[in-house]
Amino acid sequence: DAMVIQNPRYQVTQFGKPVTLSCSQTLNHNVMYWYQQKSSQAPKLLFHYYDKDFNNEADTPDNFQSRRPNTSFCFLDIRSPGLGDAAMYLCATSGLKRNQPQHFGDGTRLSIL
Amino acid sequence: AQSVTQLDSQVPVFEEAPVELRCNYSSSVSVYLFWYVQYPNQGLQLLLKYLSGSTLVKGINGFEAEFNKSQTSFHLRKPSVHISDTAEYFCAVTPNSGNTPLVFGKGTRLSVIA
Repeated sequence: DAMVIQNPRYQVTQFGKPVTLSCSQTLNHNVMYWYQQKSSQAPKLLFHYYDKDFNNEADTPDNFQSRRPNTSFCFLDIRSPGLGDAAMYLCATSGLKRNQPQHFGDGTRLSIL
Repeated sequence: AQSVTQLDSQVPVFEEAPVELRCNYSSSVSVYLFWYVQYPNQGLQLLLKYLSGSTLVKGINGFEAEFNKSQTSFHLRKPSVHISDTAEYFCAVTPNSGNTPLVFGKGTRLSVIA
C-alpha cells in the first residue's frame, strides 16, 4: 500500500542536543508538510515543500529546519531542542491540486530530557 | 483569511446512539472542506471531503457531513456510533485557489460509552 512512513515513532533526546526526524512516502506526491501537534491541540503547520520550493510559516522558530533531498524523503531538524519542543511531529503529503486531501504518517513523538 | 470553529471540545455519547460534531468556518472566498479522524498515537486519516456539487457527503466508517453555505457549516454526523469511533475529530478548510495552507479547527474529542 502506498503510504507515508515516519521514523522513528518515538524519539528521546536531551535538552539542546540536535535531533532529526525523517519521513518517506511512496505516494509520489509533490507536496510534503511538517506539523507540530501538542497534547489535545490541532496540528500546527511548521513548513511545507511544493516540490523543491520551501515554504516556512512565519511563526516557525529558527530552531526548526527542513531538508528534502528528493521527492520521497523529507527531514525535520531541530537544532537545539527545548522542553517546549516536546510534541508529536506529523508528516503529510498531497498532490499539487488544492482539492486533494493530505495523507498523514503516524507521527514521531519527541520527548526532551 | 480562513478560520474554523469546532463548537464542542468534547462529546460523550452512548454506543449505538447518533452523534453530530459541529464545525463552522469563516472565509471570504469559496472553500474546500475536510473532516479528519485521529486515533490515539496515530496520524490523521481522511473521513470525507466536500469539494463541490451535492451538499451531503458520505465518508468512511458510516460518517456523513452536510455543507451549508448560508450557515457556513459542515457538521459531521453518524446515525449509530461504536466504541471504535472514540477518537479526536478535526474539521479543516482551505480556499479553492491561492496558496493558503489547510486550516484546522481545534478538534472534538468523541468518547463513546458502552
